Parts: sequence; C-alpha cells; structure tokens
Amino acid sequence: AQSVTQPDIHITVSEGASLELRCNYSYGATPYLFWYVQSPGQGLQLLLKYFSGDTLVQGIKGFEAEFKRSQSSFNLRKPSVHWSDAAEYFCAVAPIKAAGNKLTFGGGTRVLVKP
Amino acid sequence: NAGVTQTPKFRVLKTGQSMTLLCAQDMNHEYMYWYRQDPGMGLRLIHYSVGEGTTAKGEVPDGYNVSRLKKQNFLLGLESAAPSQTSVYFCASSYHRERGYGYTFGSGTRLTVV
Repeated sequence: AQSVTQPDIHITVSEGASLELRCNYSYGATPYLFWYVQSPGQGLQLLLKYFSGDTLVQGIKGFEAEFKRSQSSFNLRKPSVHWSDAAEYFCAVAPIKAAGNKLTFGGGTRVLVKP
Repeated sequence: NAGVTQTPKFRVLKTGQSMTLLCAQDMNHEYMYWYRQDPGMGLRLIHYSVGEGTTAKGEVPDGYNVSRLKKQNFLLGLESAAPSQTSVYFCASSYHRERGYGYTFGSGTRLTVV
C-alpha cells in the first residue's frame, strides 16, 4: 500500500543547532514530494517541493530537503534553528498522475526549540 | 488577499446534530479539498472537487457530504455528527498540477462533538 512515514513524532533541538526531519515514502514510482509547516493554530504553509531535477531542493525560511531515490526518502534540514521554527512539520506526496492533485500526508513531526 | 477562508473557526455539536462547514477561495483555483487532522495521523482527505459541480471521495469520506455549486465555494456537511468526527478540518485549494501544484490552506475549523 502507498504510504508516507515520518518516524519521529517529536524532536527537541537547541536554538542554533541543526535540524533534520525524516520522511520515507512507499510508492510504485517516484511521486511529487512536499514539506509543509504548521504553526500552532494555523493552516499549513508550503516550505518546498520536489518534482524532478536537482535532488537538493531549497525552500523558504532557510530550509532545504534532499531526495534520495535509493532510500525512498525526502529529509528536511536546516543548519541553524531559530525559536520561531517551533512548529509541526508534515511531509506529503502525490503520485505523478494523481487525479485531482491529491496529497497524502505523513503523521507529522512536532519540533520543540530550547533556548 | 483573503486566499482560503473557512467558517466557522470553532463549533461544538451534540451527537446527532448536523452542520455545514463553508470554504471559500478567491484565487480561481480549479481544485478544492477537505481534510481532517487528528493527532499523530497527519491530514487525511475526506472529499475533493476538480471543478464546479463535481465531487469525489477521498480516504475517509464516511459520514460526510460535500457540494461545489460555485467554483469558489466548497461545502462540507455532517448530517448526523458523531464523537469520532471531533477533529480539526482544513480546506485547501490548488491549481491543476501543470500550473505548479500550488496548494493553499485555510486556517482550520475546530469541531468538537459531545
């Protein structure tokens, strides 16, 4: 069955430290890949997306993600975390020919930032 | 510059009551969606629409109905609310994928069924 897995439910990181969030997917072919961020009480905001080409993708707010086909992974990274990065992060995928642009989301990773 | 607007933002229902959640978008997006968000489960697609007058089932459609009579509006109905429908509901809209998959989300409706 097709699925998206975010293995870490919670991550605590110190301000200024690096952050890496994991995402693994299981699909028959490489899908479109996305990372979204949700601040408390807010909707979701797109951080970055991968359709094809360069496997290292730059996004907003200093985030980047690397697509690794051999590992079916699309991990999100940030070199130096700011307190404002405390939020919940969702990986999402869409099969390339998905009817209606439907996204399938992982369960999310909540990031806490220590001062 | 409203984007996607959801009403209401909060609602408490008694079991068996009905209600309608309204989603409105002003970006002329073709596609619209209703998701529910539950702890640890991410967002799950309830229903979606690829155009005015069309709707389709998503991953968790049972207990919900939808309508899209106008391109800019997508309504989610609960005919007989159950405690299992306590959740945060998000509406989203997007262009067709050839235009970049630009999903825009509303700020959510927190629904509690008691």
